[in-house]
Parts: sequence; structure tokens; C-alpha cells
Amino acid sequence: SYVLTQPPSVSVAPGQTARITCGGDNIEMKSVHWYQQKPGQAPVLVVYDDSDRPSGIPERFSGSKSGNTATLTISGVAAGDEADYFCQVWDSSGDHPVFGGGTKLTVL
Amino acid sequence: EVQLVQSGAEVKKPGATVKISCEVSGYTFSDSYIHWVHQAPGKGLEWVGFVDPADGETKYAEKFQGRVTIAAETSIDTAYMELRSLRSEDTAVYYCARVRGGYFQYWGQGTLVTVSS
Repeated sequence: SYVLTQPPSVSVAPGQTARITCGGDNIEMKSVHWYQQKPGQAPVLVVYDDSDRPSGIPERFSGSKSGNTATLTISGVAAGDEADYFCQVWDSSGDHPVFGGGTKLTVL
Repeated sequence: EVQLVQSGAEVKKPGATVKISCEVSGYTFSDSYIHWVHQAPGKGLEWVGFVDPADGETKYAEKFQGRVTIAAETSIDTAYMELRSLRSEDTAVYYCARVRGGYFQYWGQGTLVTVSS
């Protein structure tokens, strides 16, 4: 089945830019979605269809894709951005969603 | 405002059955699939299955096939997930979510299921 690979952790100083990657075979052919999950809370959609933001999500959150890697970029990182981030695509061969393993963002 | 409100935490013994509900509001229940996601303590998100409230169509992850049933009751805008033959590795938070366009647009608050003898 389709596999999405994320780094387990990313650390960044406040005010800097965090980049969280998500790799998968032929990911350029799929729409990638990103979720933020803070401790004890349900996930929240922050980017959909590679680079679109739901209403209410700050412009600091952006998505991009190049080759076999999708990237969630968070600019001007603040302590409140500390969370787990998951990427997700739809596996058309199995007709079901697939999640990456998640990346823990730590704000130093 | 779209809301998905799940039933409360459950504690079950191994071999038992648990049934979790997910009541939606703020949109037309039948216009979006409802998916269920499993998250073991300290772990990632794992897809369990979905139901199409419009016609009752379901699909399940291979890992849960045979032990899980997902259904929708359109008269009360509520979806259900039943998991049978519970074992310790089923201990997790289970989320329901509204899915449109291939992404999980809105999530329930989660239901903790603890399996312990």
C-alpha cells in the first residue's frame, strides 16, 4: 500500500521558518493535505489540495510540492505552533486515505 | 457552524464490543462521507473506514475488516462505529470526520476507548 514518509521531528527557533516534508512515490500526481494536532486535541486541517488554506488558517501556513516531496512551511513560528503535523493523500489504487507518520514540531 | 460530537469515553474488557456515535450538525448529513480514524497513545493517525450516509456504502481498512461496522442513521444525523472482539491494541482515541474532496475537513472531538482486563 501507499506510504508517506515524514521526519519524526523538526525544531526551530521562534520567529524562524519551519519546513516539514512528506515524501511518497509519484506524490506529484496526488493532492496533499496537512493537519495540525496539539496535545489532547483533534487534528485540524491547515492546508488542503497542496497549497490551499481553509478559512481561519493564518497565511503563515503554506504548502508546496516538488518532485516526490510535499512541504508544509510555517513562517514566523511561534510557541503556539508547537504540535504534531500529519500529511495525507488519497490512495487511488486502494480507494482510501493514507496518513504520514507525523512530525513533532518543537519551538526552541 | 459544522460540528461533529462524539459519545464519551469507554472502558471495555478484552473480547467485548464497543459502539461509538458521532452526531453531526451544521450541514446536510448525506452530502459528505463520514470517516473514522484510530490513534493509539502517542502514535499517528490510522484510517479505519467510512460510510456514505446517502446510501449506506461502507469501506474498511484491511486491518479492521471483519471486526468493525460503520453505519449512518440519517433520521438523527448520526454515524456509528462498532468494534468487536476488542484487544489491548485497540486502546486508542477514535475520531470521526467529515471528508470532502479527499481531505478531512472537520473532526469530532475524539472518543477514548480503553481495553483492559
